Amino acid sequence: QKEVEQDPGPLSVPEGAIVSLNCTYSNSAFQYFMWYRQYSRKGPELLMYTYSSGNKEDGRFTAQVDKSSKYISLFIRDSQPSDSATYLCAMRGYGNNRLAFGKGNQVVVIP
Amino acid sequence: GAVVSQHPSRVICKSGTSVKIECRSLDFQATTMFWYRQFPKQSLMLMATSNEGSKATYEQGVEKDKFLINHASLTLSTLTVTSAHPEDSSFYICSATTGQETQYFGPGTRLLVL
Repeated sequence: QKEVEQDPGPLSVPEGAIVSLNCTYSNSAFQYFMWYRQYSRKGPELLMYTYSSGNKEDGRFTAQVDKSSKYISLFIRDSQPSDSATYLCAMRGYGNNRLAFGKGNQVVVIP
Repeated sequence: GAVVSQHPSRVICKSGTSVKIECRSLDFQATTMFWYRQFPKQSLMLMATSNEGSKATYEQGVEKDKFLINHASLTLSTLTVTSAHPEDSSFYICSATTGQETQYFGPGTRLLVL
């Protein structure tokens, strides 16, 4: 079993829809959780960074962490064509700089 | 947010030559920098971890003599691909961290070896 599981998609949604992405993990030592957005031929850009169970909101983005279920989610409200990208979940343990990544989920928002 | 730059953004070279890629943290001091490789439609593959002033730690299967890493200061790390071959063609991405937060990634360098 991989440390981090993420369905690679692709996921196509119409503009304005809610995008829902998720990752599951097996290592209970993971304490910090991130979502990165990566456009084609670019480096990953940090979207959300959380370290506790619950929800964190930033504009149209909401990150959700459920440590008891080892499950994290990213929701994008009112999706725009500019949200079309690959979304990577990542996580690490306390005192460990190294990140474990999901495979990435390609999202296409259709105008 | 923290900014990481990479130079060059794109390089084409002949087989057998060496290529140096620079990674800089522009507005913070990075205790640790990471080098990744990414093939099309795949996730990031960690190549090595480097701490300022010490030798890099390479992942299993990554040749340290082929991929030379130097972390000379808290804001600069370099990756040199020595005697590059076509199979080294890839997208190389660095990241940097202060150790307190997460990793911030550079924009990547696309290497094409002819």
